[in-house]
Amino acid sequence: ETGVTQTPRHLVMGMTNKKSLKCEQHLGHNAMYWYKQSAKKPLELMFVYSLEERVENNSVPSRFSPECPNSSHLFLHLHTLQPEDSALYLCASSQDRIGTGFGEKLFFGSGTQLSVL
Amino acid sequence: AQSVAQPEDQVNVAEGNPLTVKCTYSVSGNPYLFWYVQYPNRGLQFLLKYITGDNLVKGSYGFEAEFNKSQTSFHLKKPSALVSDSALYFCAVRDRGSTLGRLYFGRGTQLTVWP
Repeated sequence: ETGVTQTPRHLVMGMTNKKSLKCEQHLGHNAMYWYKQSAKKPLELMFVYSLEERVENNSVPSRFSPECPNSSHLFLHLHTLQPEDSALYLCASSQDRIGTGFGEKLFFGSGTQLSVL
Repeated sequence: AQSVAQPEDQVNVAEGNPLTVKCTYSVSGNPYLFWYVQYPNRGLQFLLKYITGDNLVKGSYGFEAEFNKSQTSFHLKKPSALVSDSALYFCAVRDRGSTLGRLYFGRGTQLTVWP
């Protein structure tokens, strides 16, 4: 195991539902990330948090709302999603500081496979 | 714009044979280059990175990668493939000038090693 735990592993939701994805890292890292993995497409960086402060929002629709209450936990709140949002959502963490190798070596969780009906 | 290209969706090789997974990059300055591997039902795992120095970089599980500046390539290689190497491999690049260190990933290459 990489030390990054994501729950749930699988999630099926309707377009009107509200759900949350959870990520917890046990590595003492200071940065956490959400990535979206769709079949045959590059991984898409969604959000970056450094020391609990959001440092990047990669033009993600507002129906995705991240929350980072502390350096060990990261959430992705979902509401009124679309079928095209179905994908594997990966959480990652790293021990870096902005400007000095930030985000180089990432430790990923196993992901949440999301299906939007 | 920074990007990487993995021209092959699928690579098949027999166990014991050498393998190569291709990657080319495009960055505005000098690159940091990475390879990650994803086993079934798992997240990505770091394999190796090129920052500077020797063009041949050694990584985990016997993998190595060769940086070629003139061809803007960073191909992943292993002299003798194992069935357990079967996985999805991602190349990634970061512009040295980027303060946020954002990684740009390729689409991935599915490696299948036949026994």
